[in-house]
Amino acid sequence: AQTVTQSQPEMSVQEAETVTLSCTYDTSESDYYLFWYKQPPSRQMILVIRQEAYKQQNATENRFSVNFQKAAKSFSLKISDSQLGDAAMYFCAPFTGNQFYFGTGTSLTVIP
Amino acid sequence: DGGITQSPKYLFRKEGQNVTLSCEQNLNHDAMYWYRQDPGQGLRLIYYSQIVNDFQKGDIAEGYSVSREKKESFPLTVTSAQKNPTAFYLCASHGQENEQFFGPGTRLTVL
Repeated sequence: AQTVTQSQPEMSVQEAETVTLSCTYDTSESDYYLFWYKQPPSRQMILVIRQEAYKQQNATENRFSVNFQKAAKSFSLKISDSQLGDAAMYFCAPFTGNQFYFGTGTSLTVIP
Repeated sequence: DGGITQSPKYLFRKEGQNVTLSCEQNLNHDAMYWYRQDPGQGLRLIYYSQIVNDFQKGDIAEGYSVSREKKESFPLTVTSAQKNPTAFYLCASHGQENEQFFGPGTRLTVL
């Protein structure tokens, strides 16, 4: 099984500020995909951003961007201009071999 | 609207009972997945199916069973052999770009 480590169980950020959530993973595969999902209090899992491992360019999606370091097996998520609606659990999830591997999550609090 | 539906939202089970959680999708996706989520943990894979009439065990399949008779439906049965079934269960279908679309979940509680 792949190992996914999210070393920050909890993070907080002031509204309108920037925050970075970290994720490292361990895989022997060369072809895989990486995802960040958010889970608000409703518990609905929502896709935030997606990165193909073969692409060197970091993915961006509006206020969300990633810093993908393939050699270091690191996949951090940056949230710019944080909004109250960004408060949620965030899960890093590599996808390889027909299976997702989810980290234990980072709980993000947004302070007004 | 296209999406994933799960029912019921809340389910209560007595010790020794089997219960079945429903998952339906109208996204025309071939692959579907079942996950379990416990407090403070990420999602763990129970079973997945890549095509009708075929399914594979995930990391925590013991005490669970599934069927895939139709493309749209992937029900999960929690059997009496599952000793600690109280958890939040999520169903997902797999999109063309390898993303997963999740249902709203079912909260199962053993009485």
